[in-house]
Amino acid sequence: DSGVTQTPKHLITATGQRVTLRCSPRSGDLSVYWYQQSLDQGLQFLIQYYNGEERAKGNILERFSAQQFPDLHSELNLSSLELGDSALYFCASSVVEGATSEQYFGPGTRLTVT
Amino acid sequence: GQSLEQPSEVTAVEGAIVQINCTYQTSGFYGLSWYQQHDGGAPTFLSYNALDGLEETGRFSSFLSRSDSYGYLLLQELQMKDSASYFCAVSGGGFKTIFGAGTRLFVKA
Repeated sequence: DSGVTQTPKHLITATGQRVTLRCSPRSGDLSVYWYQQSLDQGLQFLIQYYNGEERAKGNILERFSAQQFPDLHSELNLSSLELGDSALYFCASSVVEGATSEQYFGPGTRLTVT
Repeated sequence: GQSLEQPSEVTAVEGAIVQINCTYQTSGFYGLSWYQQHDGGAPTFLSYNALDGLEETGRFSSFLSRSDSYGYLLLQELQMKDSASYFCAVSGGGFKTIFGAGTRLFVKA
């Protein structure tokens, strides 16, 4: 158990809908990262927050947005969902602000868009 | 641009040693990490190299050559449970962590 929690574990929704994925980092970690992993693919970095502020942005679609709240939990919002958005979404956390040596991953949210 | 290359698959027998290579091209570089991911599971951190040389952690070792933009993960005394995907990741400029596509390791009895 990494100490990072993600909810829900599974999500099934229809095209065009909007969903929110939630992540709570390890105690003491200020950075939260979001990744997308499609079937048999690598991890695509989406976005990073540090202590409530956006720190880095990867290949995140405009239909996707995220935020980190004062209690350090984070939410990833996916809207106007398409079939291609079906994937595993991982959240990770670390204690440092910048490029990090070690990230702790949550169990992921499996999103299925039908 | 930024990219990482690693072999897509490696097969080895139980008890053997296997090396998974990773070459990278990034703008800015802080270090090279390795993660293990079993099917259906979350990636777990294995090792990190910021400086040239070999880092050893039990049966796993990781090496980095910054001048060659190259690193590898060495797994010794392979066990069946080591069958998994292994990802190299670069912490580079712009605070981004870029992951390679992963190497699937099959350990045979």
